[in-house]
Amino acid sequence: SQTIHQWPATLVQPVGSPLSLECTVEGTSNPNLYWYRQAAGRGLQLLFYSVGIGQISSEVPQNLSASRPQDRQFILSSKKLLLSDSGFYLCAWSVLVQETQYFGPGTRLLVL
Amino acid sequence: AQSVTQPDIHITVSEGASLELRCNYSYGATPYLFWYVQSPGQGLQLLLKYFSGDTLVQGIKGFEAEFKRSQSSFNLRKPSVHWSDAAEYFCAVGIMEYGNKLVFGAGTILRVKS
Repeated sequence: SQTIHQWPATLVQPVGSPLSLECTVEGTSNPNLYWYRQAAGRGLQLLFYSVGIGQISSEVPQNLSASRPQDRQFILSSKKLLLSDSGFYLCAWSVLVQETQYFGPGTRLLVL
Repeated sequence: AQSVTQPDIHITVSEGASLELRCNYSYGATPYLFWYVQSPGQGLQLLLKYFSGDTLVQGIKGFEAEFKRSQSSFNLRKPSVHWSDAAEYFCAVGIMEYGNKLVFGAGTILRVKS
């Protein structure tokens, strides 16, 4: 069966520091991968998605970037965090034919 | 542009009472529709989905949803709510083009009174 992992679970970072959040998927090949952000009291905002290694599509201009160095690995990064980057970050995967997205447990990021 | 509206930010129901969470979508093509549930501090769990066929779909935990094309709605229902159903519920429409993106509603927080 497929599983999705995210780490760390919680992160507290100072403003201006770098960021690296990791997401890995097991039990499937060539998944579509997604990064969402959920700010307090708001819905989910799609940040990036990837249909293959090295292929990244950005949905909104922002302080963040994404990379997909391996088939089942998706990384969210920032060179300098802003206060507004605080939120709950969710990774998800889907397989084209099935079309349903399955979500990881999330990373809570607090920028101080 | 595609959008999903969940008109109720908060809903409170008594345990054992019936529940209906509303969802309206805007999408030019045949929609793929989803309901997810999120417990505090957790990821999202799929409750049910509609792709085609029978417009009344059954999901996990006793939930069901009905797709009504004429009303652009996909409301979630449960005949008898349990205290463990307290969570936030998200409706989403699938954009089944390049990347298979989901557009989510803002969510509805369900509180259950004992």
